[in-house]
Amino acid sequence: NAGVMQNPRHLVRRRGQEARLRCSPMKGHSHVYWYRQLPEEGLKFMVYLQKENIIDESGMPKERFSAEFPKEGPSILRIQQVVRGDSAAYFCASSQQGQETQYFGPGTRLLVL
Amino acid sequence: GQSLEQPSEVTAVEGAIVQINCTYQTSGFYGLSWYQQHDGGAPTFLSYNGLDGLEETGRFSSFLSRSDSYGYLLLQELQMKDSASYFCAARPFKAAGNKLTFGGGTRVLVKP
Repeated sequence: NAGVMQNPRHLVRRRGQEARLRCSPMKGHSHVYWYRQLPEEGLKFMVYLQKENIIDESGMPKERFSAEFPKEGPSILRIQQVVRGDSAAYFCASSQQGQETQYFGPGTRLLVL
Repeated sequence: GQSLEQPSEVTAVEGAIVQINCTYQTSGFYGLSWYQQHDGGAPTFLSYNGLDGLEETGRFSSFLSRSDSYGYLLLQELQMKDSASYFCAARPFKAAGNKLTFGGGTRVLVKP
């Protein structure tokens, strides 16, 4: 059973470009979470999605950031017009309905030049 | 609001025991989880306390006391591979699904 998959593992963008981060949850998992981690800091919740629905986006910046989890395909975290402050590791996690444990993907490390 | 406080760094030698404390201020949560993260790696689930008391999983144990707003992770028989950052995390009552709030992390350095 493959774990949570994220791609790309590393992404370099120039200021003003768009970044698209992909996450495929573990097989059988219907809940997807996105977290952001700055160097030497803990993970900060961004958004929680189920298939075709955003359940909680309270941690997502109001502008430039969006997330989706379509019926088919991976969850996408999209950052438009990136700025240097967006440089961070972005982790996706998934869980089963009713289960406490979240399983994390390897993360995407975004560097904005 | 919700915040979880952990020490920033702990250093110990191989074979020793390390206790990482996590104190929290929260309006209410379901339980306390612990995650391990090696440099450049992904957080890996270690343990979960849904009720007060001690949970033991091999060399690692975790404890929760809701009345004291306090929990800890105990690492026994430390090995070099245990050098990593350890995060406590809580799931608020009011949050939908399993949204987690993380502490700032404790960096554990194991020396020979």
